[in-house]
Amino acid sequence: SQQGEEDPQALSIQEGENATMNCSYKTSINNLQWYRQNSGRGLVHLILIRSNEREKHSGRLRVTLDTSKKSSSLLITASRAADTASYFCATWRDSNYQLIWGAGTKLIIKP
Amino acid sequence: ETGVTQSPTHLIKTRGQQVTLRCSSQSGHNTVSWYQQALGQGPQFIFQYYREEENGRGNFPPRFSGLQFPNYSSELNVNALELDDSALYLCASSLTVSNTEAFFGQGTRLTVV
Repeated sequence: SQQGEEDPQALSIQEGENATMNCSYKTSINNLQWYRQNSGRGLVHLILIRSNEREKHSGRLRVTLDTSKKSSSLLITASRAADTASYFCATWRDSNYQLIWGAGTKLIIKP
Repeated sequence: ETGVTQSPTHLIKTRGQQVTLRCSSQSGHNTVSWYQQALGQGPQFIFQYYREEENGRGNFPPRFSGLQFPNYSSELNVNALELDDSALYLCASSLTVSNTEAFFGQGTRLTVV
């Protein structure tokens, strides 16, 4: 079963706009990670935020984590056509050594 | 490029047959995990191998089995294929079992007819 749920399922915006995706999960975690997947191929690790962190930045990416609400958000600023992809959150628990994934948000950036 | 390679990239098999998928881990990584991803869904954890031993397993039947070799390359074997096994199969390597960043291969698209 999947731990996370991404919202929205799909998002279409104009190039240059900001894109925000949300992820909710069910159990306690050690960290939460975001990945990107292009056209149903391999996943690329974007950013990892630990359970004791609230916000993290990497280039145009900003991730927040609210452990009290069991939710995270990924913000992509100044979107580009190359950002078109599916984005997944995955949670990690040290107790079972596996990543548990949500169903993803499909992001389309219109030129 | 993650340095993780999978073969083949595409495969078509008949229901009831057996299939072996292969994965070459990134250099220096001793942990590999396999995932099944159905169309429009997130990856589902199949199992993980650490230093040639199965280290954890998801909710998959025993006809899904694996091997990890001394050079840390690995195989996923699926027996008695069913139509629902049609999916993208992804392998991911990580530096060690407790290093949680995973490096994924491009996947093998399996179609069972």
